[in-house]
Amino acid sequence: DSGVTQTPKHLITATGQRVTLRCSPRSGDLSVYWYQQSLDQGLQFLIQYYNGEERAKGNILERFSAQQFPDLHSELNLSSLELGDSALYFCASSPFGQRSYEQYFGPGTRLTVT
Amino acid sequence: TQLLEQSPQFLSIQEGENLTVYCNSSSVFSSLQWYRQEPGEGPVLLVTVVTGGEVKKLKRLTFQFGDARKDSSLHITAAQPGDTGLYLCAGAPRGNTDKLIFGTGTRLQVFP
Repeated sequence: DSGVTQTPKHLITATGQRVTLRCSPRSGDLSVYWYQQSLDQGLQFLIQYYNGEERAKGNILERFSAQQFPDLHSELNLSSLELGDSALYFCASSPFGQRSYEQYFGPGTRLTVT
Repeated sequence: TQLLEQSPQFLSIQEGENLTVYCNSSSVFSSLQWYRQEPGEGPVLLVTVVTGGEVKKLKRLTFQFGDARKDSSLHITAAQPGDTGLYLCAGAPRGNTDKLIFGTGTRLQVFP
């Protein structure tokens, strides 16, 4: 158990809909990262937040957005969903300081768009 | 664009065999990590190497960081079915140490 929690575990929804994925980082970690993992694309970095502020952006679509709240939990919002958005979405957190490069992953949310 | 290429992409072996997975880049990284991921679960951090030439051992797993900090290897001795999974290397670029570049992955299957 990494200490990172994600809800829900599974999500099935229809095209065009909007969903919100939730992540709680490990106690004390200030950074939260979101990743998308598809069968044929590996682990793709979407976005990073640090202490409530956006710090880095990866291959995140305009239909996707995220935020980190004062209690450091984070939400990833996916809208106008398409079939191709079906994937595993992982959240990871990392500590502040010298070992900030070590990321601890949650169990993921499996999104199925039908 | 910094890339981490892993080889082989797939590996199927019998229990008891040895294997090595490689992670290569043309870029220098300030640190490199190895993760193992089982189906439907999140990647689990196995080890971090920071110094060029560094070797770390975790039971039957041996990790090495290249002298120039551009590559790494993972060697498994006497593989067990429990070693089955997706192995990912990830590097922290110099100057941006809290962002990771993930490798392409090596899918290992160990048969009893």
